[in-house]
Amino acid sequence: DTGVSQDPRHKITKRGQNVTFRCDPISEHNRLYWYRQTLGQGPEFLTYFQNEAQLEKSRLLSDRFSAERPKGSFSTLEIQRTEQGDSAMYLCASSLQSDTQYFGPGTRLTVL
Amino acid sequence: RKEVEQDPGPFNVPEGATVAFNCTYSNSASQSFFWYRQDCRKEPKLLMSVYSSGNEDGRFTAQLNRASQYISLLIRDSKLSDSATYLCVVNIGGSNYKLTFGKGTLLTVNP
Repeated sequence: DTGVSQDPRHKITKRGQNVTFRCDPISEHNRLYWYRQTLGQGPEFLTYFQNEAQLEKSRLLSDRFSAERPKGSFSTLEIQRTEQGDSAMYLCASSLQSDTQYFGPGTRLTVL
Repeated sequence: RKEVEQDPGPFNVPEGATVAFNCTYSNSASQSFFWYRQDCRKEPKLLMSVYSSGNEDGRFTAQLNRASQYISLLIRDSKLSDSATYLCVVNIGGSNYKLTFGKGTLLTVNP
């Protein structure tokens, strides 16, 4: 399967813990995006990388959130001191110099 | 006004029915438009891009009216497998990366 992959698929954590998610984009896709989706809503943009450069961060991305793409390939999204409001599906997408974004299966986070 | 607004749904239709979804967007500078489909607890998948001239892919027809800032999706001869949430997606303000999604409209096709 050469699509976008995400790990883990599910994460349950206690409030206050740190969590890290990984995204592997489609090979050779230089653009990588993170979105968050809560129940009954469409995905909301969080941040965007072109190669290793993080070019935009949404105001939804508080200082507890950090994303990296150190070598311009895979990316990680870390949430520090998780809160119950962070419970959501975290979706990663990638694209190659175009608007068409292909989404991974997501990481479903539950904060107890 | 929300950036992307869709019919709230849900839609329940019998097999073979024709169903239409509507969507409006607020930013007249938006450049690109899409319909994505999302199955329950799955990721969104691109259904089709929407062009000014309108486009058709089998049973699916998408139309764009820039003057009215309106997008539509028509599904003809609906199948059970069409049951999903349909997301209207806009590239707001001409940025070439940030997609803005509507809340989605749930379609259930019944036998």
